[in-house]
Amino acid sequence: DAGVIQSPRHEVTEMGQEVTLRCKPISGHDYLFWYRQTMMRGLELLIYFNNNVPIDDSGMPEDRFSAKMPNASFSTLKIQPSEPRDSAVYFCASISRSDTGELFFGEGSRLTVL
Amino acid sequence: RKEVEQDPGPFNVPEGATVAFNCTYSNSASQSFFWYRQDCRKEPKLLMSVYSSGNEDGRFTAQLNRASQYISLLIRDSKLSDSATYLCVVNTNAGKSTFGDGTTLTVKP
Repeated sequence: DAGVIQSPRHEVTEMGQEVTLRCKPISGHDYLFWYRQTMMRGLELLIYFNNNVPIDDSGMPEDRFSAKMPNASFSTLKIQPSEPRDSAVYFCASISRSDTGELFFGEGSRLTVL
Repeated sequence: RKEVEQDPGPFNVPEGATVAFNCTYSNSASQSFFWYRQDCRKEPKLLMSVYSSGNEDGRFTAQLNRASQYISLLIRDSKLSDSATYLCVVNTNAGKSTFGDGTTLTVKP
């Protein structure tokens, strides 16, 4: 398996623009997580899905953020409109709870909002 | 209060030293526990699971104290390659995985 695949790896955009981050989890994994990492706040859980259904989105910072998982092999995290304080590395991770419990991460999407 | 708290460090130790990291969690219903390692500008990767009886993997020993809601990681005979950020992770029975902010370790020659 290729692992968790995220795109884009890097994005630089201007304040006010829409940003869409994409994630393909490992095939067969039934949980998908979106995390945001900054120096100030560490690794924050934004939202997670079980079998494509959002379970807990309490970490989503505000209405500008939205996440979807239309099927088991694809998820998006959208920021509209983007702000400079959204600059961070966004990680997607997936897991199969019936396995060892290891969370597998993608390489992350590094977002810079100017 | 954060759900998972770690001493942020940084820990700066010489090669060969023994170093210990601590982590506390607030949700008494937490079910499984892990230590992850994150290298600079990379994604976190699993270092080891933490079992109630304690477990060892080479130079690494993990301990869990459910009564005190406390997890530890001990690294013996530290190597330069151990320099990284170590993240404590707690899973609930609802499937949620929560990370601590991490403890940064630098091993110096």
